[in-house]
Amino acid sequence: SQTIHQWPATLVQPVGSPLSLECTVEGTSNPNLYWYRQAAGRGLQLLFYSVGIGQISSEVPQNLSASRPQDRQFILSSKKLLLSDSGFYLCAWRRTGFWSPLHFGNGTRLTVT
Amino acid sequence: GENVEQHPSTLSVQEGDSAVIKCTYSDSASNYFPWYKQELGKGPQLIIDIRSNVGEKKDQRIAVTLNKTAKHFSLHITETQPEDSAVYFCAASDQTGANNLFFGTGTRLTVIP
Repeated sequence: SQTIHQWPATLVQPVGSPLSLECTVEGTSNPNLYWYRQAAGRGLQLLFYSVGIGQISSEVPQNLSASRPQDRQFILSSKKLLLSDSGFYLCAWRRTGFWSPLHFGNGTRLTVT
Repeated sequence: GENVEQHPSTLSVQEGDSAVIKCTYSDSASNYFPWYKQELGKGPQLIIDIRSNVGEKKDQRIAVTLNKTAKHFSLHITETQPEDSAVYFCAASDQTGANNLFFGTGTRLTVIP
């Protein structure tokens, strides 16, 4: 079976510090990978997606970047965090294909102080 | 891109009653519509999905209906139980190469014992 791991679960970082969130998927190959952000009481905003190693597409211009150094590894980064970067970050994966469901990790709660 | 609207934002029902959540979407080419349940501090979990070639799908107490002409779909939960209390999200796929999912803003369902 497939599993998705996302860490850390919680993170408190000062403004201006760097960020690195990691996500790995097990039990499948060549998945589509996604980073979503969920602000308090809001919906899920798609930040980045990747259909293959080194292929990153950004949905929203911002202070964040993403990388996919390996087939099942997806990393969300920032060089300098802003207060507005606080939120709940979710990694997700799905198989390629029109109707394949999206599977989420348990998220990282980021608080920028 | 796709725009998904979801109503209501909060919903309270008595245990045993039914709950209905409605969503509309903007892209008539969208062909996949999943529903997710998110419990506190966790990532969203897929509970049911429907493809554009189907008008209705049922899984025990949960059902989803799709009206492609009107571009809206609904989640129906019957015989609600306290454990159904959570935030529910609808989503619709876009028609880019990655078939990304775009989410509604969520409905907080509270089932009162």
